[in-house]
Amino acid sequence: AQSVTQLGSHVSVSEGALVLLRCNYSSSVPPYLFWYVQYPNQGLQLLLKYTTGATLVKGINGFEAEFKKSETSFHLTKPSAHMSDAAEYFCAVSDGNNFNKFYFGSGTKLNVKP
Amino acid sequence: KAGVTQTPRYLIKTRGQQVTLSCSPISGHRSVSWYQQTPGQGLQFLFEYFSETQRNKGNFPGRFSGRQFSNSRSEMNVSTLELGDSALYLCASSFYMSNEQFFGPGTRLTVL
Repeated sequence: AQSVTQLGSHVSVSEGALVLLRCNYSSSVPPYLFWYVQYPNQGLQLLLKYTTGATLVKGINGFEAEFKKSETSFHLTKPSAHMSDAAEYFCAVSDGNNFNKFYFGSGTKLNVKP
Repeated sequence: KAGVTQTPRYLIKTRGQQVTLSCSPISGHRSVSWYQQTPGQGLQFLFEYFSETQRNKGNFPGRFSGRQFSNSRSEMNVSTLELGDSALYLCASSFYMSNEQFFGPGTRLTVL
């Protein structure tokens, strides 16, 4: 079975500071991992995904994430936060058998202070 | 290219009624999945349809059902609505054998 834990339901950073959103997963098979962003009253937008290959994944808007199998983690980072990054971020996992059946974390709301 | 569209965007129903939500996937996408998002339970997988067949199902009661048409459009139905069914219902579509899902804006259902 798959599951995702996102540490910190709320994270606050200053504009220009490093963004680090934590995600740990549990999977009985090699996982596919995703980060999505949700703005108020909108659906989810894919930021980046890891399926196989390079463990450092670059996404849109300057975000990246590193798959660390030994730590079962897939943390999301951005070197310099922008006001427009304020949103809720979701980590998700699926597997090769049911790859469209996503298990989502509980989400992390990112606040960016001016 | 048009994104995933969901209709209606907002819906208010009363307990005991039934409701049907619609999802039109991105052109060429044949897989459609549905998720329920609530403050308490977060995002939960409902079911996935591909080529008019249910391919996966989450842990929801039988009151929740869906179907997919030959043009890949999908509907989900909730019968005998309960207060706890109030949620944002999200639809996502993807190409065959792709796990890159594109989400629609959702339908916000309020049950009174």
